[in-house]
Amino acid sequence: GAVVSQHPSWVICKSGTSVKIECRSLDFQATTMFWYRQFPKQSLMLMATSNEGSKATYEQGVEKDKFLINHASLTLSTLTVTSAHPEDSSFYICSATTGRTMNTEAFFGQGTRLTVV
Amino acid sequence: QKEVEQDPGPLSVPEGAIVSLNCTYSNSAFQYFMWYRQYSRKGPELLMYTYSSGNKEDGRFTAQVDKSSKYISLFIRDSQPSDSATYLCAGGRGSNYKLTFGKGTLLTVNP
Repeated sequence: GAVVSQHPSWVICKSGTSVKIECRSLDFQATTMFWYRQFPKQSLMLMATSNEGSKATYEQGVEKDKFLINHASLTLSTLTVTSAHPEDSSFYICSATTGRTMNTEAFFGQGTRLTVV
Repeated sequence: QKEVEQDPGPLSVPEGAIVSLNCTYSNSAFQYFMWYRQYSRKGPELLMYTYSSGNKEDGRFTAQVDKSSKYISLFIRDSQPSDSATYLCAGGRGSNYKLTFGKGTLLTVNP
């Protein structure tokens, strides 16, 4: 299957600082990327959907000013957690899809574990 | 009611057992269903996907969808210790591939 790379795999940051997480599709062009958050023993919760070259669509309850998403190219999307707080500590996962009608597979990155201290 | 319900387990079985994992869903608009496997601290990896009611088989894995009862299942035959992971079901609709996940079931296969 296609490869989606997420960086970093884990990050620890101080409360109040910002953290950027990158999601790259390595061998295909991703017209759509999704960002999820997963708390321990909980399901993946969709945070936002981003299409290359346009503003991200955020799910209800997700603060768009806190979780900045940029999808500037067909192979890269970034999620920036601004002014991070301990409650933002979670596992953040991206997925990417080509969006072609006959290909509805989305490929997931390996996830980024964020710990805010 | 959540759109996708899944018993979180944990489920523990001996090696070689047949495993049955189940989900129910409430959103009639779902057009396709997926099963993902997630190892600890890793991203999910796609196991199976189905578009319609019925069975789909791939090696030791069989995915089953019953749209009339809004019930989806994953069967694992001849389970192996390497199958120990969390299994997530998901429903999706539209070509933008927006998925709604269940909570996941933690499976342990004991050697």
